[in-house]
Amino acid sequence: GAVVSQHPSRVICKSGTSVKIECRSLDFQATTMFWYRQFPKKSLMLMATSNEGSKATYEQGVEKDKFLINHASLTLSTLTVTSAHPEDSSFYICSARAETGGHTGELFFGEGSRLTVL
Amino acid sequence: KNQVEQSPQSLIILEGKNCTLQCNYTVSPFSNLRWYKQDTGRGPVSLTIMTFSENTKSNGRYTATLDADTKQSSLHITASQLSDSASYICVVMEGYSTLTFGKGTMLLVSP
Repeated sequence: GAVVSQHPSRVICKSGTSVKIECRSLDFQATTMFWYRQFPKKSLMLMATSNEGSKATYEQGVEKDKFLINHASLTLSTLTVTSAHPEDSSFYICSARAETGGHTGELFFGEGSRLTVL
Repeated sequence: KNQVEQSPQSLIILEGKNCTLQCNYTVSPFSNLRWYKQDTGRGPVSLTIMTFSENTKSNGRYTATLDADTKQSSLHITASQLSDSASYICVVMEGYSTLTFGKGTMLLVSP
């Protein structure tokens, strides 16, 4: 089946540094990808919608300068957490909606990236 | 405001037993309803996708139902296994891309 790959799956960084998380659709193209944040035992919170070739759309309360999103191609979106602080520690998940291939229209999630800021 | 309410919040059942999870929504206009299984520390995996005209859809031991009139869906798990322990998330799509997530039901299957 279709796969969405996230990298890295786990990252530990020092406070004040920036961390980039990649989200790739491996066998389909996706004009739109979504980034979520999930706290322990809580549901996914949509952070932003990533649009290929244009600016991302951020949800209310999400700092666009803090969470930089780049969707440079139809198979790759990146989320950069800038000047990370311990409160940014969380589980970040991406999803992509298939627009080509046998699963067109379906929404697939990545495996998630656990960020720990020391 | 579009909402998706799931119940129960958590559930513990014995291995081999059946269980049913509920999802009520107020999303409009309705496009489809999805059930996902999320293992701890992993991304959600799709179980079923149901459109307006579908009442029942099965995926192995998982059977989802949808009543578009009452805006209710259920996920029935038959003959539960230890590996069914996970969070089950109901997601309703409005239009083409707007998703509303439920808070999930945490299921624990005990031996």
